[in-house]
Amino acid sequence: EVQLVESGGGLVQPGRSLRLSCAASGFTFDDYAMHWVRQAPGKGLEWVSGISWNSGSIGYADSVKGRFTISRDNAKNSLYLQMNSLRAEDTALYYCAKDNESGMFDYWGQGTLVTVSS
Amino acid sequence: EIVMTQSPATLSVSPGERATLSCRASQSVSSNLAWYQQKPGQAPRLLIYGASTRATGIPARFSGSGSGTEFTLTISSLQSEDFAVYYCQQYNNWPQYTFGQGTKLEIK
Repeated sequence: EVQLVESGGGLVQPGRSLRLSCAASGFTFDDYAMHWVRQAPGKGLEWVSGISWNSGSIGYADSVKGRFTISRDNAKNSLYLQMNSLRAEDTALYYCAKDNESGMFDYWGQGTLVTVSS
Repeated sequence: EIVMTQSPATLSVSPGERATLSCRASQSVSSNLAWYQQKPGQAPRLLIYGASTRATGIPARFSGSGSGTEFTLTISSLQSEDFAVYYCQQYNNWPQYTFGQGTKLEIK
């Protein structure tokens, strides 16, 4: 059974940093690209960042480019999102999602909540 | 960035009736279009990919169509469990994927 479990969320002050993690199991992690998707309270889905299976190709939404860094450790079956210079508008539930090789997200975690507030 | 626009924002339909949701891309995404369903307090669930292929376990009452810039999700006979928010997503432009803003399907 595929499982994606996010962690690392919490309350953080504007301008500070936070690192999210996603632990994957139930599939061959290093065969697939992975993504972070966020959802602000009461709002829609926003793709944040994606990383190819070997970390050779990485992308970011314009809203986070230069502030967030995605990475993965295939030996640990883990995906990460380093978030720097956090802003109030980064407040959201952050989901980890598995890419099924073609670009759609076939499995999602339950999310970790990030709240940016003073 | 490819902008995805969904319409309507809210759709009110009676159980047993047909629902038709639309998604438009600001430039062609070929058939690289997926639909997701999200219920309150839950993660999104993949319904349709490749614009028209149902994901594993998705009932046949869900169907997708379109290509290029215009796409449609049709639910042929609405069941109570189908009332939710639906999102389209383009994956034509790795690694810059985008979602539509969502359509809320509510009971009339």
